[in-house]
Amino acid sequence: DGGITQSPKYLFRKEGQNVTLSCEQNLNHDAMYWYRQDPGQGLRLIYYSQIVNDFQKGDIAEGYSVSREKKESFPLTVTSAQKNPTAFYLCASSLREDSYGYTFGSGTRLTVV
Amino acid sequence: SQQGEEDPQALSIQEGENATMNCSYKTSINNLQWYRQNSGRGLVHLILIRSNEREKHSGRLRVTLDTSKKSSSLLITASRAADTASYFCANAGGTSYGKLTFGQGTILTVHP
Repeated sequence: DGGITQSPKYLFRKEGQNVTLSCEQNLNHDAMYWYRQDPGQGLRLIYYSQIVNDFQKGDIAEGYSVSREKKESFPLTVTSAQKNPTAFYLCASSLREDSYGYTFGSGTRLTVV
Repeated sequence: SQQGEEDPQALSIQEGENATMNCSYKTSINNLQWYRQNSGRGLVHLILIRSNEREKHSGRLRVTLDTSKKSSSLLITASRAADTASYFCANAGGTSYGKLTFGQGTILTVHP
C-alpha cells in the first residue's frame, strides 16, 4: 500500500541535542512538507520541498534543517538552536496536480526532557 | 500571520444533527481544502474546492466558498459519533502545487 511513514512515533530530546525525524513516502509525490502543531493550534509550516535537492523555508524555519537527497525522503533535524521544540511534527506530501490535496504521515511527538 | 480563522473553536452536538464549521482566510486563493484530524493522529484530506467553484458535495459533506467574503463553510449532515475529531481548513494561495496555510481548527464532539 502506498503511504507516508514517519518515525519514530515518540522522541525525547535532551537539552542541547540535535534530533532527526524521519519521513518517507512511496506515493511518487514530488512535493514534501514539514509542519509543527502545538496544542490547540493549527499547523505551521517549517520547510517544504517541491523537487529533489531543493527546499524552501516556511514560516518557522529557525532552529530546524532539512535535506532532500531522494524523492522518497525528507528528514527534519531539530537543532539545539530551537528553543521550544516540544510539539507534534507532521510530514506531508503532494502531487504537482493539487486535486487530491496532501497526504499526511501519522506524526512524531517530540518532547524535551 | 497568514493563518485563517475558524469558527467555532469547539462544537458539541448530538448524533443525527448537522454540524457547520466556518473558515475565513486573508489572501487570494487557488483552492481551499478541508482536513480531519483524530486525536494524536495525522490529518486526512476530506474535500477540495477551487476558487471558481461555489459549492461542492462529497457524501455527507457539503462545502461552500465565498471568495468575495474570503470565507468557506463545511457542513456535515446526519453526524455520527465517529465524526468526532478536529476539522481544519487550509488554503493554497496564488499558485497551485504550493504550500498550504492552515486555520486553527474546530473541535467537533458528537454525542451518541
